[in-house]
Amino acid sequence: DAEITQSPRHKITETGRQVTLACHQTWNHNNMFWYRQDLGHGLRLIHYSYGVQDTNKGEVSDGYSVSRSNTEDLPLTLESAASSQTSVYFCASGDRGGNEQFFGPGTRLTVL
Amino acid sequence: QKEVEQNSGPLSVPEGAIASLNCTYSDRGSQSFFWYRQYSGKSPELIMFIYSNGDKEDGRFTAQLNKASQYVSLLIRDSQPSDSATYLCAVASGSARQLTFGSGTQLTVLP
Repeated sequence: DAEITQSPRHKITETGRQVTLACHQTWNHNNMFWYRQDLGHGLRLIHYSYGVQDTNKGEVSDGYSVSRSNTEDLPLTLESAASSQTSVYFCASGDRGGNEQFFGPGTRLTVL
Repeated sequence: QKEVEQNSGPLSVPEGAIASLNCTYSDRGSQSFFWYRQYSGKSPELIMFIYSNGDKEDGRFTAQLNKASQYVSLLIRDSQPSDSATYLCAVASGSARQLTFGSGTQLTVLP
C-alpha cells in the first residue's frame, strides 16, 4: 500500500545544530508539503514543492530549507536550530488534482 | 495574510446529538475547503472537502459552504464518542493547493 513516512519520529537537539527531518512518500504525488503544528496556531505551512527541483516558501519558512531531488522525498533542514522551532512537524503529499493531502505520522522535535 | 478562523471550543455534545463546527476565511480567491479530523497525538485525516456553494453529505457528516459569507461548516449527526477529536478547517489556494488551516475546534462527545 502507498504511504507517507517520516523519520525520526522524535528528535531532541541543541540550539545551533543543523537538523534534517526526512519525508518519503510512495503515492507518486507531485505535490509535497511541510507543516508545523503548535498549540494555538494549528498547522502552518513551512515549504512546499510542485515537483522535482521545485520548492516554494510557505507562511513560516524562515530558518528552514527544503530540496526536491526526486518525486518521493522532501527533506526539511533546520540550518541552525532555535528553541522557537520546537514543534511537531508534519509532511504531506497530494496529487495535481488537490482533492486530498495525505499526512505523515509527524516528527516531534525538541530544541534545548 | 490569509486567515482561517474557527471557534477554539472546547465543544461538548451528548451522544446522539448534532455537533456543529464553524469556520470563516478571509481570502475570497479560495478554491476548495476541507475538514480534517485529528485525534490526540495523531496526524490529520480528511473527512470531507467541498468546492461549491451548498451542502455536501457523506454519511453522518454534512459540509456546508457559503462563499458570499466566506463561511464553511461541518455538521456531525448522531455524534458518537469516537467522534471526539480536534476538527481542523482548511482552505486551499494556489496551483499546489496549499492549505491554510484554522487553529481547530476540540469536540468531546459525552456518552
